[in-house]
Amino acid sequence: DIQMTQSPSSLSASVGDRVNITCQASQGISYYLNWYQQKPGKSPKLLIYDASSLETGVPSRFSGSGSGATFTFTISSLQPEDVATYYCQQYENLPLTFGGGTKVEMK
Amino acid sequence: QVQLVQSGAEVKKPGASVKVSCKASGYIFTTYAMHWVRQAPGQSLEWMGWINAGDGYTGNSQKFQHRVTISRDTSASTVYMELSSLRLEDTGVYFCARAPGYCSETNCYEARLDAWGQGTPVTVSS
Repeated sequence: DIQMTQSPSSLSASVGDRVNITCQASQGISYYLNWYQQKPGKSPKLLIYDASSLETGVPSRFSGSGSGATFTFTISSLQPEDVATYYCQQYENLPLTFGGGTKVEMK
Repeated sequence: QVQLVQSGAEVKKPGASVKVSCKASGYIFTTYAMHWVRQAPGQSLEWMGWINAGDGYTGNSQKFQHRVTISRDTSASTVYMELSSLRLEDTGVYFCARAPGYCSETNCYEARLDAWGQGTPVTVSS
């Protein structure tokens, strides 16, 4: 199985800050990487697919980059409504696997 | 709009089975795959398996190989996930999630989970 390692596991930032989250795959996965946002008590929501494509309706302050084994998710200007846990997910191979999550809090 | 509506919370004893339903609306049911993902309390997301809603072809994570059965009823636009031989560690929230494309035995194409059900809490307790 492909292991997905996210870092950091949690972070605290201020409104307007730039936030970066890294996802490292245990082997190359090309661009087969998605990012999700999950708010407490809610279902996950797709934000970024295929490493860098913005899902329809998602604000442009969210972006993704990378290919191969290392990927970055960025919030360009953190907003209060962005407080959530963010997960990466690969689909290069079955089983689909998720990262451990990054909890983003407001300072 | 796309909606996935799951069945309600369940409480089961160890060794029992649970069957969760996921009713889809707002899109052509047979043109998407449906995946099941679970989340233990305070933990990350764990993929369980999938079904191609069009041809009914299914696959499961090896972790659940002999315990999970995924099926669908195209006339009702509903997918089901049954988990048997429940253990305490199966406690969690179970989600269905739609993905475009389809899955084969080794790969899922376009496996971006672009719509999710609201989740079904399952508690396993003696």
